[in-house]
Amino acid sequence: GQNIDQPTEMTATEGAIVQINCTYQTSGFNGLFWYQQHAGEAPTFLSYNVLDGLEEKGRFSSFLSRSKGYSYLLLKELQMKDSASYLCAVTPRSGGYQKVTFGTGTKLQVIP
Amino acid sequence: ETGVTQTPRHLVMGMTNKKSLKCEQHLGHNAMYWYKQSAKKPLELMFVYSLEERVENNSVPSRFSPECPNSSHLFLHLHTLQPEDSALYLCASSHGQAGANVLTFGAGSRLTVL
Repeated sequence: GQNIDQPTEMTATEGAIVQINCTYQTSGFNGLFWYQQHAGEAPTFLSYNVLDGLEEKGRFSSFLSRSKGYSYLLLKELQMKDSASYLCAVTPRSGGYQKVTFGTGTKLQVIP
Repeated sequence: ETGVTQTPRHLVMGMTNKKSLKCEQHLGHNAMYWYKQSAKKPLELMFVYSLEERVENNSVPSRFSPECPNSSHLFLHLHTLQPEDSALYLCASSHGQAGANVLTFGAGSRLTVL
């Protein structure tokens, strides 16, 4: 079976750092995605982790531990526009069509 | 503009109506998907078409009927829906190559069934 857990909601202050955690238990694992979804808009790709460790991309970083079934998304220097839902998703395969399992998403509110 | 276009953006229909959702991608991708997004639930995969052949169904009710006439277009035909089918329906596409096979989503069609 597939199970992905992430907090439902988080609140953080503009300029601060926030970490959004994701734990997963899946029958197959190849990699983990993070997507950002603003209200009323399409989810957009943020990061993809296959190997253990931290991947940094500007203000956003994503970490993966395959042995622990754990990932986090780190957002630095928060801006008001970062208020959105962040979706953690796991894929069991590389290439071909995707059989991605999504978490329920974490709704982040950035306050002044 | 995400590269994946969905129409209509909003749709209200009665339970006896028949309507269709349309999705179009010009990214050269060879797989297209329909997802259902309901409040406080994970994105739920409904259908996958790879190279125009349906490869996943996930036991979706027959009142939802997909059609993929070519690699750029995808439809979801709706008939005799139930109020619980009210949700955001997202179309996505992917290139199907190894590596970070990222899903590119459309903005969605918000469906309300009365």
